[in-house]
Amino acid sequence: QVQLVQSGAEVKKPGASVKVSCKASGYTFTNYYMHWVRQAPGQGLEWMGIITPSGGSTSYAQKFQGRVTMTWETSTTTVYMDLSSLRSEDTAVYFCARDRFRFWSGYLDSWGQGTLVTVSS
Amino acid sequence: QSALTQPPSASGSPGQSVTISCTGTSSDIGYYNYVSWFQQHPGKAPKVMIYEVNKRPSGVPDRFSGSKSGNTASLTVSGLQAEDEADYYCSSYAGSNTGVFGGGTKLTVL
Repeated sequence: QVQLVQSGAEVKKPGASVKVSCKASGYTFTNYYMHWVRQAPGQGLEWMGIITPSGGSTSYAQKFQGRVTMTWETSTTTVYMDLSSLRSEDTAVYFCARDRFRFWSGYLDSWGQGTLVTVSS
Repeated sequence: QSALTQPPSASGSPGQSVTISCTGTSSDIGYYNYVSWFQQHPGKAPKVMIYEVNKRPSGVPDRFSGSKSGNTASLTVSGLQAEDEADYYCSSYAGSNTGVFGGGTKLTVL
């Protein structure tokens, strides 16, 4: 069965960077797009970006351009989301989610458990 | 990439039907048929209920249905049940491999 297991909670100071990992199992890693979505406390979902492990191409929401980097490691079937220049507004739960198809369809059929990133001085 | 617009709340009694709207623009909902709906219970990851405007993943009850007209997509939940009480989010493809979510709607079963 498809499983996405994310790294543990992080506490960071303003201006620092955070790298969240998402280890995939139960399917052919390179065949499916992976999205990153975040949710601030008590707020809605926010789409951050997508990575295609087969070719490594990425697309990011305009809001995060220049601050976010998504990468992958085929040998460990893991995708990473690196967010820099953290500010308090980046405090949120970060989710990875697999797209069911080999293109941007929005059919996010499997989700990680979420990683809480807290930005505080 | 502005967020899609959803009503903050909706409600209905058990057995009734409720419809949640999701308004975008001619650059997202109005142009592409990649609209999805997600259900999220407190403290849980979202669960996809509808994809490609009106398709239901296996295991999702047929009480859930989706549609689209122009720049507005809709999710209808028929025969409301207590377990349907949750937050619901729409999402749409917005071109160039980017997407956008709605602000979310809290559905209350009275």
